[in-house]
Amino acid sequence: QSVLTQPPSVSAAPGQKVTISCSGSSSNIGNNYVSWYQQLPGTAPKFLIYDNNKRPSGIPDRFSGSKSGTSATLGITGLQTGDEAVYYCGTWDSSLSAGVFGGGTKLTVL
Amino acid sequence: EVQLLESGGGLVQPGGSLRLSCAASGFTFSSYAMSWVRQAPGKGLEWVSAISGSGGSTYYADSVKGRFTISRDNSKNTLYLQMNSLRAEDTAKYYCAKVWAKMWYFDLWGRGTLVTVSS
Repeated sequence: QSVLTQPPSVSAAPGQKVTISCSGSSSNIGNNYVSWYQQLPGTAPKFLIYDNNKRPSGIPDRFSGSKSGTSATLGITGLQTGDEAVYYCGTWDSSLSAGVFGGGTKLTVL
Repeated sequence: EVQLLESGGGLVQPGGSLRLSCAASGFTFSSYAMSWVRQAPGKGLEWVSAISGSGGSTYYADSVKGRFTISRDNSKNTLYLQMNSLRAEDTAKYYCAKVWAKMWYFDLWGRGTLVTVSS
């Protein structure tokens, strides 16, 4: 059971928009910034979002992030088949003094 | 080229030990904290451990605390994970990751090394 809760799967058609939620508590998301990672099939995770809503260099602006209270959201617009991947949220848990991830959300672009 | 290359994985019996290594190149290794993240077959990511750039501070997930030890040799640009008292539930691909800005931001990942704990 992951400390952060994500929906197991989401789907949408090419060109559409999708959001992926990540729910935590005051000891993690509520008091720390959130990051997001994309894991394409058979590859290592890729750094996608940091500080809740900032994109590292090279990440297209189709990817966005937000945070409110103890929840965070990843948004992807203009969906492409190449976006099919598993997306993970991550943050620090101050009570555990440890990093924590969500269980991952598999995105299917229909 | 900026990269991380893990090694040392393999098959080990329950209760056994294994030491993973991660060779870093292309960046000033000693300036960055480093971390290990694992992924059991078909499962999600699990943060395992982290170490500061100097090696003076270390952090562990409760699931490995007391059994795993993270360390680094900045003269060799290498990160290590000593794993003792291994259990079946430690079976996973272990990724080495470079930490950036905050201890839970991983901006560079290796390809991973597979550890299988089985009799």
